[in-house]
Amino acid sequence: QLVLTQSPSVSASLGASVKLTCTLSSGHSSYAIAWHQQQPEKGPRYLMKVNSDGSHSKGDGIPDRFSGSSSGAERYLTISSLKSEDEADYYCQTWGTGIVFGGGTKLTV
Amino acid sequence: EVQLVESGGGLVKPGGSLRLSCAASGFTFSSYSMNWVRQAPGKGLEWVSYISSSSNYIYYADSVEGRFTISRDNAKKSLYLLMNSLRAEDTAVYYCAREVEDGRYFDYWGQGTRVTVSS
Repeated sequence: QLVLTQSPSVSASLGASVKLTCTLSSGHSSYAIAWHQQQPEKGPRYLMKVNSDGSHSKGDGIPDRFSGSSSGAERYLTISSLKSEDEADYYCQTWGTGIVFGGGTKLTV
Repeated sequence: EVQLVESGGGLVKPGGSLRLSCAASGFTFSSYSMNWVRQAPGKGLEWVSYISSSSNYIYYADSVEGRFTISRDNAKKSLYLLMNSLRAEDTAVYYCAREVEDGRYFDYWGQGTRVTVSS
């Protein structure tokens, strides 16, 4: 079964960097994922697609502070030079026979 | 600029019906597959339904199969979700989302419309 696992919460300081992790279930380590950001009381916003080889393609207007990478079944979203506006929920999403979302990670800055 | 604007949410009694709309602008609507995704209060995102660009392919989550109907009008650049036999567990913010052409993920989302099912 295709499942995405995310840590429920993470905190980091203004100006620092943080690396969020999304783990694909066993047997699905070749799958690409997409990262979405949801700021409080707003709709989600697409950040980027991350492939199994670590390559990524960002959405329109996404700052260079946001980057993606991969290692095995893990897909990462790294945010550098953290700003207060980065405080949000971050969801990873993939697809197989259906659309699957991770449970989300709440980032506190 | 790509924009997706949902409407039609509100308070409805269990067993009732509601029709959501999503107005698209800033892109060639007829070229893209579209989806509905919902978010229950304090919970994560849940995919609800998919419709291909020409309405040839339609899929639903098991939780709404047989109760919800997705449709679109490419001439009006609009996406719809007809929700029947509503249950308390359908209470959520409903988002429409554009699906990219090279994979099954979403590159644009609307701001959402809130549906509350309660007596």
